[in-house]
Amino acid sequence: DAMVIQNPRYQVTQFGKPVTLSCSQTLNHNVMYWYQQKSSQAPKLLFHYYDKDFNNEADTPDNFQSRRPNTSFCFLDIRSPGLGDTAMYLCATSRDRAEAFFGQGTRLTVV
Amino acid sequence: AQSVSQHNHHVILSEAASLELGCNYSYGGTVNLFWYVQYPGQHLQLLLKYFSGDPLVKGIKGFEAEFIKSKFSFNLRKPSVQWSDTAEYFCAVITYSGTYKYIFGTGTRLKVLA
Repeated sequence: DAMVIQNPRYQVTQFGKPVTLSCSQTLNHNVMYWYQQKSSQAPKLLFHYYDKDFNNEADTPDNFQSRRPNTSFCFLDIRSPGLGDTAMYLCATSRDRAEAFFGQGTRLTVV
Repeated sequence: AQSVSQHNHHVILSEAASLELGCNYSYGGTVNLFWYVQYPGQHLQLLLKYFSGDPLVKGIKGFEAEFIKSKFSFNLRKPSVQWSDTAEYFCAVITYSGTYKYIFGTGTRLKVLA
């Protein structure tokens, strides 16, 4: 029944070692979002895809990249993770301006 | 810049007390408004949404929210909270300026004492 699936649920990576988080959806939604949520903070939008168009937030570090090879999949690449990138990463999808559906998140720990 | 403010960061209530959580947004265009809940260890779930029409919106689990356009507010209410309502609550707005963007407020952590 899961409609937005994120893998892995937990990821530990070494400082500076590239890591990729994945998100897939079965809803055929045209918008996909990536958020970073640190402990006791609100989800912070990193970037989103509107169809194939990539939209980066102005304050998203260059270290964070994304790919969307097709409607169903979206990836978050962190090229050189720092300790400050330890957080929960949330993927969400929506159909235009309708409500967003969230995945369970990937808890990333950088050591 | 578009933003969403939630003024209550931590709220502690006893069971059966009434709840009101404030949410204000800054955006001049048409907005869609949402409240999400995040139970401990779980993902964000939609409580209710406002697109247009009746400004008083009813959601799941007895929650409701009122959209007051003149005040740029979308406050969440529940007449009688339960221990199981202990969670974090996020107000969100979706705006459009060439593309759609979902922006969240800072969240309110609610603790209900049994």
